[in-house]
Amino acid sequence: AQSVAQPEDQVNVAEGNPLTVKCTYSVSGNPYLFWYVQYPNRGLQFLLKYITGDNLVKGSYGFEAEFNKSQTSFHLKKPSALVSDSALYFCAVRDQGKLVFGAGTILRVKS
Amino acid sequence: GAVVSQHPSRVICKSGTSVKIECRSLDFQATTMFWYRQFPKQSLMLMATSNEGSKATYEQGVEKDKFLINHASLTLSTLTVTSAHPEDSSFYICSALGLAVGEEQFFGPGTRLTVL
Repeated sequence: AQSVAQPEDQVNVAEGNPLTVKCTYSVSGNPYLFWYVQYPNRGLQFLLKYITGDNLVKGSYGFEAEFNKSQTSFHLKKPSALVSDSALYFCAVRDQGKLVFGAGTILRVKS
Repeated sequence: GAVVSQHPSRVICKSGTSVKIECRSLDFQATTMFWYRQFPKQSLMLMATSNEGSKATYEQGVEKDKFLINHASLTLSTLTVTSAHPEDSSFYICSALGLAVGEEQFFGPGTRLTVL
């Protein structure tokens, strides 16, 4: 079965600094990878996805993710964090048409 | 992007009653809809997958007689929590997948269910 792991429960970063939220995957075959963000008491918002093609994927709100096959990673990044980026972030992989989510990482951006 | 709505956004009910949650795709036809459950500070747990016009496929450990799912049209799926109990209190989120909107699932805003 396909799975993703988010090794960090929480990431703290100062506003204006670059941020990275980590995700590693375990899949057979080519992975379909996704990042979603969730604000309190809200549903998930799609940020970006990797299906095929360029390893660097650009998404919404200035986020990007790099697909690294050798390290089986798909880390989410942003060059300059905003306080409004504070939220819960989920990495996910598609497995037989269904999304399998990681445990989530809380991102806290402090001013 | 495609929009998915859920109704109600919050519901409080007494133990033993049934609650229906609606999930609608507003601007696309959803061939497949998914229902998730999320406990506080935890990840989403897939409960079931429903395809329009056919019976839902439930994940292991999810009681199909307790969580009734109906996907009667290409824009509407409903989740009915029957004889709700306090342990059913949770955040329920639906998502929809449509052929016209590519490979991503679009999520509803969620429904907070509190069973007293």
